[in-house]
Amino acid sequence: AQSVTQPDIHITVSEGASLELRCNYSYGATPYLFWYVQSPGQGLQLLLKYFSGDTLVQGIKGFEAEFKRSQSSFNLRKPSVHWSDAAEYFCAVGPGDMRFGAGTRLTVKP
Amino acid sequence: ETGVTQTPRHLVMGMTNKKSLKCEQHLGHNAMYWYKQSAKKPLELMFVYNFKEQTENNSVPSRFSPECPNSSHLFLHLHTLQPEDSALYLCASSSFGNSYNSPLHFGNGTRLTVT
Repeated sequence: AQSVTQPDIHITVSEGASLELRCNYSYGATPYLFWYVQSPGQGLQLLLKYFSGDTLVQGIKGFEAEFKRSQSSFNLRKPSVHWSDAAEYFCAVGPGDMRFGAGTRLTVKP
Repeated sequence: ETGVTQTPRHLVMGMTNKKSLKCEQHLGHNAMYWYKQSAKKPLELMFVYNFKEQTENNSVPSRFSPECPNSSHLFLHLHTLQPEDSALYLCASSSFGNSYNSPLHFGNGTRLTVT
């Protein structure tokens, strides 16, 4: 069965600094990969998705992610973090029952 | 406006109560889901409905009973819950069922506290 590991429970970055959130997946075939963001008191919002084709995918709010099959990874990046990016981020793998990681909480320092 | 509306936002209930959570989607989707979100744990898929038919039930205790009267509405009926059932319950919908690549659209959740 597929699974997702997000190695970092909590990350703190300064506003304006770059960001990379790690995601490793386990899936027997070509995966469908997703990143979601959850702000306090809210549901999850889709940031971006990868199904096939170009391994670098662009999402909303200036985020991007790169699929690396050889490393079973789908890391999320942003060149310059804004205070409003503080939230919890979830990586997920499908198809089938979509499996989510445990999440990475992002804190942004002024 | 998320397109997926959940009510109530907060619910406190005793272990002997019966209550229901409601979810409504305005996106024209055909699949709806219930997830449980507990602190420090991955989201747990509870139930999946495709075209009103239940297709998944991931070993959820019978004290949770789903109902999907049509493709736009989903309920979760609760009875004789345990304190460990306290969590955020998220409803989601997608264009097609979970065998396909359609992303999930989530509601804002119901924060349930069992006393």
